[in-house]
Amino acid sequence: DAKTTQPNSMESNEEEPVHLPCNHSTISGTDYIHWYRQLPSQGPEYVIHGLTSNVNNRMASLAIAEDRKSSTLILHRATLRDAAVYYCILRDSGSARQLTFGSGTQLTVLP
Amino acid sequence: NAGVTQTPKFQVLKTGQSMTLQCAQDMNHNSMYWYRQDPGMGLRLIYYSASEGTTDKGEVPNGYNVSRLNKREFSLRLESAAPSQTSVYFCASSELDRVDYNEQFFGPGTRLTVL
Repeated sequence: DAKTTQPNSMESNEEEPVHLPCNHSTISGTDYIHWYRQLPSQGPEYVIHGLTSNVNNRMASLAIAEDRKSSTLILHRATLRDAAVYYCILRDSGSARQLTFGSGTQLTVLP
Repeated sequence: NAGVTQTPKFQVLKTGQSMTLQCAQDMNHNSMYWYRQDPGMGLRLIYYSASEGTTDKGEVPNGYNVSRLNKREFSLRLESAAPSQTSVYFCASSELDRVDYNEQFFGPGTRLTVL
């Protein structure tokens, strides 16, 4: 399975945009890029996913590099509630239906 | 609409004891999953059920059994608990068993300690 690399931790100020990077240099053409986040003492929560084109939803935006070897999750205005561990996950359409979580990025939002 | 519920929230077992973790979803989802999360790590899949009546092993199935009781319920059983099974267990469900659109909804977790 293709692997992802994320920074261990990042900090942001409240109400400022946050760009969370993910490298996936061995991504295959059938791998979807998914982002989940996990707030303290809770189960993970879906954020966004995409294949090739940039994607937007009410929670965030996903910017995918043209060569698909990296992607960036964008939170447009960070709030204290956005403090969480963010996981970048690749899902191959030919593999089992599991989500393979790495160690993620711990986002700290400063007031 | 409660989403995914899990019972119990906390449990302490002695080595060798058995127990069943319960999971139910009220979203009429077809697929259900059991994950474990060890301290400071990401989640690892134990078992999943793509649809009612089917179950398959995930990444770390040893020491566990599952039952898809009906479309709503998916239980995880530890037959003889070991300290290595101390973890937080999450149940999840998804509407479709597809990777191109397969948002998984997670329960609040069960924190299990095996002494």
